[in-house]
Amino acid sequence: DAKTTQPPSMDCAEGRAANLPCNHSTISGNEYVYWYRQIHSQGPQYIIHGLKNNETNEMASLIITEDRKSSTLILPHATLRDTAVYYCIPGGATNKLIFGTGTLLAVQP
Amino acid sequence: SAVISQKPSRDICQRGTSLTIQCQVDSQVTMMFWYRQQPGQSLTLIATANQGSEATYESGFVIDKFPISRPNLTFSTLTVSNMSPEDSSIYLCSVALVRANEQFFGPGTRLTVL
Repeated sequence: DAKTTQPPSMDCAEGRAANLPCNHSTISGNEYVYWYRQIHSQGPQYIIHGLKNNETNEMASLIITEDRKSSTLILPHATLRDTAVYYCIPGGATNKLIFGTGTLLAVQP
Repeated sequence: SAVISQKPSRDICQRGTSLTIQCQVDSQVTMMFWYRQQPGQSLTLIATANQGSEATYESGFVIDKFPISRPNLTFSTLTVSNMSPEDSSIYLCSVALVRANEQFFGPGTRLTVL
């Protein structure tokens, strides 16, 4: 399983973009990059995933470097409800998820 | 999407006893998983619940301690056996849908062992 490195915590002002980095230098060629988040006292929630190309959905954008060794999750206009632990997880489609320690994003008013 | 319910939502148990946690999904799913989240920690995968066959356990988890059943495509149980205070955790089930890349998680069962 590919290892990931994420900063333990980040702050972001409400209304500003939150950029969460992830290093996954050992990712294999057929592994996707998944992003999940866990709001306090809730189960994890899927955000977005990608393989090679950048992806965007109603929640976030995912930027993957050309060598696929790192990625950045972008929340374009962070709100207080986006305060959560964000996990970057390399993995195959519908396979098991191996969670790292994640990044605690604190959105400040 | 999938809606997942877990029972019980929380429980307080005495050491040496066992607790069975239920996970019910509102649609048929191919893959179901069980996770543990110890206080202040990230999630750790316990096992993959396979329909019609024995569960596949991750390193550090064994069937005698965490027996799992999956009698059909919408239901699974996890039993935490011979509990000790170290088993105090949140236990979550998740499911993966056919032709979908995302997993859906249940709300979790908060277990406290005294």
